[in-house]
Amino acid sequence: DTAVSQTPKYLVTQMGNDKSIKCEQNLGHDTMYWYKQDSKKFLKIMFSYNNKELIINETVPNRFSPKSPDKAHLNLHINSLELGDSAVYFCASSQDSGLAEETQYFGPGTRLLVL
Amino acid sequence: QKEVEQNSGPLSVPEGAIASLNCTYSDRGSQSFFWYRQYSGKSPELIMSIYSNGDKEDGRFTAQLNKASQYVSLLIRDSQPSDSATYLCAVFEGSNYKLTFGKGTLLTVNP
Repeated sequence: DTAVSQTPKYLVTQMGNDKSIKCEQNLGHDTMYWYKQDSKKFLKIMFSYNNKELIINETVPNRFSPKSPDKAHLNLHINSLELGDSAVYFCASSQDSGLAEETQYFGPGTRLLVL
Repeated sequence: QKEVEQNSGPLSVPEGAIASLNCTYSDRGSQSFFWYRQYSGKSPELIMSIYSNGDKEDGRFTAQLNKASQYVSLLIRDSQPSDSATYLCAVFEGSNYKLTFGKGTLLTVNP
C-alpha cells in the first residue's frame, strides 16, 4: 500500500537512448511533481501537474517531457539521454498546489545512470 | 533568483546533545517552511512544518521561524544515532506554487 510509487527503481542506459519513468500515487492527491536530485544532493523541482494540468515547468531541456494521463499518474519521458542526466529522480504528490500548508509526499526515487 | 541557504556540514554531535540546524531564505514573500529528513539512499520525509513566527515543538524536534531575519532553524534534542541523516530546509513560495529546497545539512550523531 505504497503511497507514492515509482518504476523503475534503477535505470542504467547508454547515452542517446530514450527512457521513461513512471509514477503513481494512491493518496487521492490533486498535484504531482517531478524533482531531480544531483550527486551533491541538491533537490530541484522540474515539473508539477495539478489535476492533469501543467502548472510548474522549470527551465529544463525540452528532452524532458512529463505526461499525466490522470491525476494519479505522472510519467517522465527523457529523449536522447546525456551523461549529465544521471541523477535520482523523485516523484512527489500533495493534496493541492496552492495552499501554503500542503505537505509533499515523496516516492522512493529512480536512480538513473547514463553511460 | 530565490534561494534557500543551508550550511552543508557535516555537523557532528555526540549522542544526547542538541543538534542545531540553520536555514536562511531570500524571498520575503515566502509563506511556509518545512524540514525534511533524508537518509542515505532514501527519499525525503517531512519531519516539521512551521508557518508563523516563533517556536513549534514536536517531540524532540523544535522548529523556529523568524520572518524578519528570514531565518528558520531546527533543533533536535537528545540526539540519537538514528537522527544521522541529511536535513533539507524547504520554503514554499505561494506566488509560483513552488517548494524550493536548500542543499541540505549532513548531521552525524556519534554514539
